[in-house]
Amino acid sequence: DIQMTQSPFTLSASVGDRVTITCRAGQSISDYLAWYQQKPGKAPKLLIYKASSLQRGVPSRFSGSGSGTEFTLTISSLQPDDFATYYCQQYYSYWMFGQGTKVEIK
Amino acid sequence: EVQLVESGGDLVQPGGSLTVSCAASGFTVSSNYMSWVRQAPGKGLEWVSLISGGGNTYYADSVSGRFAISRDNSKNTLYLQMNSLRVEDTGVYYCARYVTSDAFDIWGQGTMVTVSS
Repeated sequence: DIQMTQSPFTLSASVGDRVTITCRAGQSISDYLAWYQQKPGKAPKLLIYKASSLQRGVPSRFSGSGSGTEFTLTISSLQPDDFATYYCQQYYSYWMFGQGTKVEIK
Repeated sequence: EVQLVESGGDLVQPGGSLTVSCAASGFTVSSNYMSWVRQAPGKGLEWVSLISGGGNTYYADSVSGRFAISRDNSKNTLYLQMNSLRVEDTGVYYCARYVTSDAFDIWGQGTMVTVSS
């Protein structure tokens, strides 16, 4: 199994802040990396696929980068609707999620 | 509209069985890869099972031999049959469409499965 490790576990930020979440894979996964946003009581929502491709309808303040084993999700200017939990997921070999990063209001 | 709607979640005793369903609209289940992902209360997402368009099936080690994924093409519906249920199988079960380049792009709202005596 390819383990996925996200950091930090929790992130406290203010509206307008630039936020970066990191995801590391246990071995190279090329660019088969997705990012999801989940709000309490709701299903996950796909934000980014193939490491850096923005899903249709997702605001351009979200961006992804990386390849191999190191990946980042960046929110360029945090908005009130962005306070949520974010998960990375590899789909290079089977399917595995990171443990999640909760973005909280500072 | 492209949509997935899960149903069938319930309270079940340990060792029991349950089948949850996922009805699709706006696309054809049999032409797509479809998956189940679960989330224990207060925990993260865990991939459970996947069925390819060709019918190949895949399972997480934690459910292999106990769970079975299937589909009914005439009903455009995905299923997850769960046997020998354990307390640790408790959680919300989501179905999702998987696109090999785009990951899990469509999700249902989830159905709650509680395993408790």
